Amino acid sequence: DTGVSQNPRHKITKRGQNVTFRCDPISEHNRLYWYRQTLGQGPEFLTYFQNEAQLEKSRLLSDRFSAERPKGSFSTLEIQRTEQGDSAMYLCASTAGSAAINTQYFGPGTRLTVL
Amino acid sequence: DAKTTQPPSMDCAEGRAANLPCNHSTISGNEYVYWYRQIHSQGPQYIIHGLKNNETNEMASLIITEDRKSSTLILPHATLRDTAVYYCIVMWGNTPLVFGKGTRLSVIA
Repeated sequence: DTGVSQNPRHKITKRGQNVTFRCDPISEHNRLYWYRQTLGQGPEFLTYFQNEAQLEKSRLLSDRFSAERPKGSFSTLEIQRTEQGDSAMYLCASTAGSAAINTQYFGPGTRLTVL
Repeated sequence: DAKTTQPPSMDCAEGRAANLPCNHSTISGNEYVYWYRQIHSQGPQYIIHGLKNNETNEMASLIITEDRKSSTLILPHATLRDTAVYYCIVMWGNTPLVFGKGTRLSVIA
């Protein structure tokens, strides 16, 4: 257990529905990352927060995706109008590293299945 | 794209040392080499990182060549629980991790 928690662990939804995932980072960590992992591939970066500010988004983060980190604590990732291609493991990681050292600690992930 | 190249798979007998190679010929002077592993259906687990010198912790050892163009992760006494996909990543600062396909290590009894 790294201290990063994610909920729910599994989510099954029908195409077109909205889903929201939550990540609770290690308490003193000010940076939080979201990644997506499809079957047989390594995780791919989605977005990144420093405290409550969303600093970077990848082109994988379509308009249907939105992420927040109110008060710089937990974060939520929402997917609107889900599509079958959104089926994946969604991973959260946090770090408190200095500029040179950035060890990210991952949560267990949320596995999304879109029917 | 990932800046590292790793063999897609390796086997190791239980109790023997597992040596996982990684090529990173375009590594920059300030980039670190990080190793993570991912056991089936779990989140990636941090193992070790290094800049220039060899590093050792309770999980593994990291050997980085003098020119820093390649490295080797060593699990000294592999167990069945070490069966996982191992990722070698080069990065610096706050940049997001860029994962390649990693090496699938199978530890065999």
